[in-house]
Amino acid sequence: DADVTQTPRNRITKTGKRIMLECSQTKGHDRMYWYRQDPGLGLRLIYYSFDVKDINKGEISDGYSVSRQAQAKFSLSLESAIPNQTALYFCATSDFSQDGNEKLFFGSGTQLSVL
Amino acid sequence: RKEVEQDPGPFNVPEGATVAFNCTYSNSASQSFFWYRQDCRKEPKLLMSVYSSGNEDGRFTAQLNRASQYISLLIRDSKLSDSATYLCVVHVQDYKLSFGAGTTVTVRA
Repeated sequence: DADVTQTPRNRITKTGKRIMLECSQTKGHDRMYWYRQDPGLGLRLIYYSFDVKDINKGEISDGYSVSRQAQAKFSLSLESAIPNQTALYFCATSDFSQDGNEKLFFGSGTQLSVL
Repeated sequence: RKEVEQDPGPFNVPEGATVAFNCTYSNSASQSFFWYRQDCRKEPKLLMSVYSSGNEDGRFTAQLNRASQYISLLIRDSKLSDSATYLCVVHVQDYKLSFGAGTTVTVRA
């Protein structure tokens, strides 16, 4: 079984619809992240959370919200989807060590298409 | 200027060849560096961390040049299974990891 599980794997929706992407992990990590990937661009950080009570905006948080329901669960919502939110979305957890070596473990991704 | 820049490639090489490519970063305060591998439309996976002294993992060698602000990845004796996109990742500050857009390598039989 995957350590970081994202659902759904694929989603097609229409402009204006509310969409939730879910992520759960069994790695026991405190840190969780949501990224989006667009062709020709690096992964960009949407939101991150260092523990259940800690939620922070990343570089492209406009149009998105998140919820950290438990240490193991971190969901991403698009309140009113628009076509330029069409992208491949990844959830990740990290194993952060004090020497600064933060290793990310990714879910298998959600391909979202907004028509 | 982007924080992390990579030559997108593709680098097309025959099996058994050596291929090398670089990644430049703009923030001189960057603390740690990584190479991730990503197969088409799949999740990135950590390939290796990059240490100041350079490090090797089997056929893969990573180097860091802080003075010129770049890291490199060299793949020796390329295999078909090495075909992938290689992402350069730079740890800039506590939470912030900056990703390059990736370098695509295609190994042909």
